[in-house]
Amino acid sequence: GENVEQHPSTLSVQEGDSAVIKCTYSDSASNYFPWYKQELGKGPQLIIDIRSNVGEKKDQRIAVTLNKTAKHFSLHITETQPEDSAVYFCAASKGDDKIIFGKGTRLHILP
Amino acid sequence: GAGVSQSPRYKVAKRGQDVALRCDPISGHVSLFWYQQALGQGPEFLTYFQNEAQLDKSGLPSDRFFAERPEGSVSTLKIQRTQQEDSAVYLCASSWGPGLAGGQAKNIQYFGAGTRLSVL
Repeated sequence: GENVEQHPSTLSVQEGDSAVIKCTYSDSASNYFPWYKQELGKGPQLIIDIRSNVGEKKDQRIAVTLNKTAKHFSLHITETQPEDSAVYFCAASKGDDKIIFGKGTRLHILP
Repeated sequence: GAGVSQSPRYKVAKRGQDVALRCDPISGHVSLFWYQQALGQGPEFLTYFQNEAQLDKSGLPSDRFFAERPEGSVSTLKIQRTQQEDSAVYLCASSWGPGLAGGQAKNIQYFGAGTRLSVL
């Protein structure tokens, strides 16, 4: 079955700097890669997603890249702000199917 | 409401008790998923419904776990004879279902806030 690895498990960046989270997946049939943000006591919230027919997608300060050949995908957050502090999960899925999550990255934005 | 609603938000059970967790998906959503999230971990898939049909229950950890969605809307996850290892947050997610709508895939999953189950 699908396996998603996520690094780092914890990341601290200075406010205003960029943060990068990297993931790998194992199943070449996966074609949908969502990223979720989870704040304490809340459910995961979709922040951006990318499908396998696209190599890069950007939404304001957030961008994702996908390398299908290497089975790598990454989340980039630029100009980080205090409200970006949360746990971020990468995930992989095959269409309308279960989502396989990474173990998460706890992002701390330092003042 | 506009989002996925789960109840109760918190449940404390004594070991051996049965519990029932409810999920109200977004109105009109065809697909419904249950996930289990242990402390400090990512959510792990339990089971999936398309309307009232349970299409995948491969993630249910044991036969003590049972889920239903009899009318294709509200779903209940039932855990019988709870054990301490069942302590976790149980998340429900829903989506429009397979296919495309207006050129956009409908499979985006929207999550509820979860039910935190503590088994003593």
